[in-house]
Amino acid sequence: QITLKESGPTLVKPTQTLTLTCTFSGFSLNTFGKGVAWIRQPPGEALEWLALIYWDDNKRYSPSLKNRLTISKDISKNQVVLTMTNMDPVDTATYYCAREEGLDGMDVWGQGTTVTVSS
Amino acid sequence: QSVLTQPPSASGAPGQGVTISCSGSNSNIGRNYVYWYQKFPGTAPKLLIYRNNQRPSGVPDRFSASKSGTSASLAISGLRSEDEADYHCAAWDDSLSGWVFGGGTKLTVL
Repeated sequence: QITLKESGPTLVKPTQTLTLTCTFSGFSLNTFGKGVAWIRQPPGEALEWLALIYWDDNKRYSPSLKNRLTISKDISKNQVVLTMTNMDPVDTATYYCAREEGLDGMDVWGQGTTVTVSS
Repeated sequence: QSVLTQPPSASGAPGQGVTISCSGSNSNIGRNYVYWYQKFPGTAPKLLIYRNNQRPSGVPDRFSASKSGTSASLAISGLRSEDEADYHCAAWDDSLSGWVFGGGTKLTVL
């Protein structure tokens, strides 16, 4: 069974750095073709893709947020970490991680973690 | 503004059918597969359709999808109250080198 679970702070202050961890099981991120993506959804708004890391450590970032995002993986812990700098209230959202199976898409998602940015 | 365009809402009576559209461009839908997700409030998105028109195991065949050019559509037949949810389309965008989503369509079963 494939599962992913997001963890991190529920509240951050403006200008702080957010660090989110995605812990997964049921697959290995050192297997050819596998990837883990981060997506967020602000309240009442659309889903927004943030970043993606592949099995070979190739990384992709949303162009609009590229300067603020860093994605990394720890194969030994089955974790993917996303950091987002200079948080702002507009970054308040539910953040999801999902397995990316290449052409089969983002097929399994975590339950999401809600992050509020407020002083 | 989302890269892919969906109608904000759709509706249909129980038993009827409904179609939700998703419009993009050559850099996303025009060259790549389209994916559809079903999302209920407070829950994670669920993959409903992958590779334009493929259903993961467990997804009823009441759900179907198609793609033509730079547009795609999701069709739901025999509407049930439990289909009331938000539906999101997604595709890889070659210009952005990343995933893009539609704004989501809220389906109401009357």
